[in-house]
Amino acid sequence: NAGVTQTPKFQVLKTGQSMTLQCAQDMNHNSMYWYRQDPGMGLRLIYYSASEGTTDKGEVPNGYNVSRLNKREFSLRLESAAPSQTSVYFCASTGLAVPKREFFGPGTRLTVL
Amino acid sequence: DAKTTQPTSMDCAEGRAANLPCNHSTISGNEYVYWYRQIHSQGPQYIIHGLKNNETNEMASLIITEDRKSSTLILPHATLRDTAVYYCIVRDSFYNQGGKLIFGQGTELSVKP
Repeated sequence: NAGVTQTPKFQVLKTGQSMTLQCAQDMNHNSMYWYRQDPGMGLRLIYYSASEGTTDKGEVPNGYNVSRLNKREFSLRLESAAPSQTSVYFCASTGLAVPKREFFGPGTRLTVL
Repeated sequence: DAKTTQPTSMDCAEGRAANLPCNHSTISGNEYVYWYRQIHSQGPQYIIHGLKNNETNEMASLIITEDRKSSTLILPHATLRDTAVYYCIVRDSFYNQGGKLIFGQGTELSVKP
């Protein structure tokens, strides 16, 4: 049981390049989330998926797109990377149990030059 | 979601109890109090949650005042590995569409030898 996994762990992009961050969970969770964390700040929600086939915007969705590929996988795409998107990106998931409890991945450290 | 107020930073001596306060004066009746921590840029880790009663698990204890307007997270015997940023979050347990966490700035706890 690996929990929540993210790939890649590190990435350096040039301005304007595109890339996709991958996230997968093996806990049969329904909901999945993408957060970003800038230096010295708390996490901010980018997008979330309450269940397979649905996605919704969070606090800071501009410049990102997401795909809930199946129940296990939730990807985050940067179509044209900008230096302002330099951040650490965390994926998380929760099951149906109430109250909810999030499980987080180890993060992807992205630098846009 | 109700907002929380936490001290920016705290110190604690190794082996002593660490008491982290949180104010959530606008909490509503169906909102839970959650605590997460983040160790050195790793993914946040769930610690504990509670509604009205005090709670204890293998990691910590949560004391919630009778009026529910504040709470205290207690790490009974802090170790150096407990040095982290601690986030107090309130959320609606019946938020079925995503149930997203909203992170504040948290308290940076430094456990010193």
